[in-house]
Amino acid sequence: GQQVMQIPQYQHVQEGEDFTTYCNSSTTLSNIQWYKQRPGGHPVFLIQLVKSGEVKKQKRLTFQFGEAKKNSSLHITATQTTDVGTYFCAGSDGATNKLIFGTGTLLAVQP
Amino acid sequence: DTEVTQTPKHLVMGMTNKKSLKCEQHMGHRAMYWYKQKAKKPPELMFVYSYEKLSINESVPSRFSPECPNSSLLNLHLHALQPEDSALYLCASSQDWSSYNEQFFGPGTRLTVL
Repeated sequence: GQQVMQIPQYQHVQEGEDFTTYCNSSTTLSNIQWYKQRPGGHPVFLIQLVKSGEVKKQKRLTFQFGEAKKNSSLHITATQTTDVGTYFCAGSDGATNKLIFGTGTLLAVQP
Repeated sequence: DTEVTQTPKHLVMGMTNKKSLKCEQHMGHRAMYWYKQKAKKPPELMFVYSYEKLSINESVPSRFSPECPNSSLLNLHLHALQPEDSALYLCASSQDWSSYNEQFFGPGTRLTVL
């Protein structure tokens, strides 16, 4: 079945450093969404990418969808303590309406 | 109102108990979901309801029984659970059942089975 892996599993940064998490799918994706889950919280939608090679920005966050639509990345510039949490990608192979969540990357930011 | 509410927040139950989890949304969404999330793991899809009909059951054991009484409400009935069923149970909703729709998650019910 479809599998979505993320690396790294965990990243600890100093406040102000940059951070990137990578999302890789075993199958071609029709679309990919990114969610953030704060510690003790629930997933909150960040963004969706649909087109091959698409790049979207939200303030300090940059999201990319790979040309082959099998991978995606989230880059945070100059991390802040408010960025702490687990970032999940979630994709669909288009065969069903199901979103398969990636394994997640937990970001810790030291002030 | 862009909120999904879930009750209770916490639940402790024995293996012989029967309990129910409740989820509500008033966004007019026609798709509702139950997910199970273990610590440090991603949410795992359990059930999908589309227009109040069960559309997906991800081979979930029958001790979990979903119910969608109307378009705003989703229940998960629990019976004879096992300790390994302890987890965070998340409800979500979306405009309709499509992978292209943003999912809105509730705060979850943290379940402990003794």
